[in-house]
Amino acid sequence: SQQGEEDPQALSIQEGENATMNCSYKTSINNLQWYRQNSGRGLVHLILIRSNEREKHSGRLRVTLDTSKKSSSLLITASRAADTASYFCATDVFTSGTYKYIFGTGTRLKVLA
Amino acid sequence: ETGVTQTPRHLVMGMTNKKSLKCEQHLGHNAMYWYKQSAKKPLELMFVYNFKEQTENNSVPSRFSPECPNSSHLFLHLHTLQPEDSALYLCASSPLTSGRGEQFFGPGTRLTVL
Repeated sequence: SQQGEEDPQALSIQEGENATMNCSYKTSINNLQWYRQNSGRGLVHLILIRSNEREKHSGRLRVTLDTSKKSSSLLITASRAADTASYFCATDVFTSGTYKYIFGTGTRLKVLA
Repeated sequence: ETGVTQTPRHLVMGMTNKKSLKCEQHLGHNAMYWYKQSAKKPLELMFVYNFKEQTENNSVPSRFSPECPNSSHLFLHLHTLQPEDSALYLCASSPLTSGRGEQFFGPGTRLTVL
């Protein structure tokens, strides 16, 4: 299985509710990033959290990182219909002499108005 | 938009055709990437270029041929593709050549191989 795996694969909530999605990974990391992708479009960077950080906020987004459990969570508070998208975590991997990011399959979030 | 453009946005080609995808960034970044995104599969890194030099080829078949003439432009030349190559092809750039910074993605090219 891949380095980053998101859970759940799909999530449907009502507008105004909070949405939580999780990411698990296997090897040690330096950074973990979360991205959003609207249907058929490119990915947009949301937030980066370093391995020595435990929590980070950006607007309605809250990201936590637990390196002992090799997991991260993304919380979107007071969700809006415009938050409907797929969300991906990306972990950095050092291989073949270079760092690169490995993406998971993503969580498809649907926010119902 | 993030400052990374891709053309064309949609492409339909036969298995015997030759076509090219183009990516352009005006963000002053040193690293550029090609990714393949297929349905229900993780984003697959294909190629990485740092300062115009290819530093990563993730076991990509030779029917995909990248070209990076300068730090702002990246091409993906396609020839004799297979139907399973149909996917969304995403280009990205980043300011750090080590791949440890934020990546800026283009909107992608939706490729259909008949």
